[in-house]
Amino acid sequence: DTAVSQTPKYLVTQMGNDKSIKCEQNLGHDTMYWYKQDSKKFLKIMFSYNNKELIINETVPNRFSPKSPDKAHLNLHINSLELGDSAVYFCASSLRSGAGANVLTFGAGSRLTVL
Amino acid sequence: AQRVTQPEKLLSVFKGAPVELKCNYSYSGSPELFWYVQYSRQRLQLLLRHISRESIKGFTADLNKGETSFHLKKPFAQEEDSAMYYCALSGLPLETSGSRLTFGEGTQLTVNP
Repeated sequence: DTAVSQTPKYLVTQMGNDKSIKCEQNLGHDTMYWYKQDSKKFLKIMFSYNNKELIINETVPNRFSPKSPDKAHLNLHINSLELGDSAVYFCASSLRSGAGANVLTFGAGSRLTVL
Repeated sequence: AQRVTQPEKLLSVFKGAPVELKCNYSYSGSPELFWYVQYSRQRLQLLLRHISRESIKGFTADLNKGETSFHLKKPFAQEEDSAMYYCALSGLPLETSGSRLTFGEGTQLTVNP
């Protein structure tokens, strides 16, 4: 009964490849997020979607394209992978508004290694 | 712009000693502050939030608007408190925008036996 699940947990790939990370939540939340945690453990928001609508798009290269087929899923597709993309990517979800909007439930993370 | 600073990347204390993890923020409006924690091999999770004014696992944090700080404190640290702690800030959420949490760089707390 994992609340926020992301796959794969580990991903090792070559530079230039295209890869996807999937995320699903069963909490009934309206809003989902992608965060990037770099090698120094710095956590930074990349995107947020509210009921399939893009809300936040931080200064992320357009090689990163989120896709939300429905409000329970938010996938991250990365084109032309670069060495600097190596990181742990966290999916999260929350309520859309009110006091619960800032209480994020995180997935376990997907560690991407680009060789 | 929102900004959160955690000046200590690493913090090491002995079991039973008091611990304080520092957090300072920069925000022009009325912020909401949080502490999130990531234990080894576990997910990042909410520890506490300033509006709740509660103690979780013996930890407390008081929002000091004058000093723009939200330090996390525990009088007697336990080994199981060893984890990565992130301070986070959000401006008041808009009706349709979900959250815009800005995280600090994190403090790795190690409690030694």
